[in-house]
Amino acid sequence: DTEVTQTPKHLVMGMTNKKSLKCEQHMGHRAMYWYKQKAKKPPELMFVYSYEKLSINESVPSRFSPECPNSSLLNLHLHALQPEDSALYLCASSQDEEAEQFFGPGTRLTVL
Amino acid sequence: DAKTTQPPSMDCAEGRAANLPCNHSTISGNEYVYWYRQIHSQGPQYIIHGLKNNETNEMASLIITEDRKSSTLILPHATLRDTAVYYCIVRVGYVSSNTGKLIFGQGTTLQVKP
Repeated sequence: DTEVTQTPKHLVMGMTNKKSLKCEQHMGHRAMYWYKQKAKKPPELMFVYSYEKLSINESVPSRFSPECPNSSLLNLHLHALQPEDSALYLCASSQDEEAEQFFGPGTRLTVL
Repeated sequence: DAKTTQPPSMDCAEGRAANLPCNHSTISGNEYVYWYRQIHSQGPQYIIHGLKNNETNEMASLIITEDRKSSTLILPHATLRDTAVYYCIVRVGYVSSNTGKLIFGQGTTLQVKP
């Protein structure tokens, strides 16, 4: 298995909802990442996990809460989002923080 | 902020070589040059990376100038499927507080035309 999978592909949520994005890889990678990409803009790093520990938080608002339950799985918990949080959320993984990153197809999030 | 400068767009004829330039005049000795591309509505895809020597793989070649202040990604025989946004990224190559960071610039939109 040489890919990063993300579910769901699309998500529509209200500002009072709680939802979660899921990312999975079975390549034995020990670093995992969340990026946010607004339309016609480049991806922006949100979080980095290394060996299941949070190593980088790019000053992301607390309404985004990452979780790494095991080395294959990365979640992003969403609560009280704003319409401006609508974006494509990309997950990536790599052998370690120094190696090239492999990206999933993303979850397209719309906040109403 | 991104440490690279790329032209916003380029065209290339199908079957010809696509040469995508990137300036990184402030690159440090321990920083690598990475190239990724993003085809519309997909996640970015790793292409190639290098430190100071030229590199080649099955997808592309990377030519880095001797002073390391610029580089060129070469797609030897561009196809319509190579139409994408190409990102040149400088990142540190050893474990530090910034190792895991990929800072994407605006990239170059490459349009391959029949």
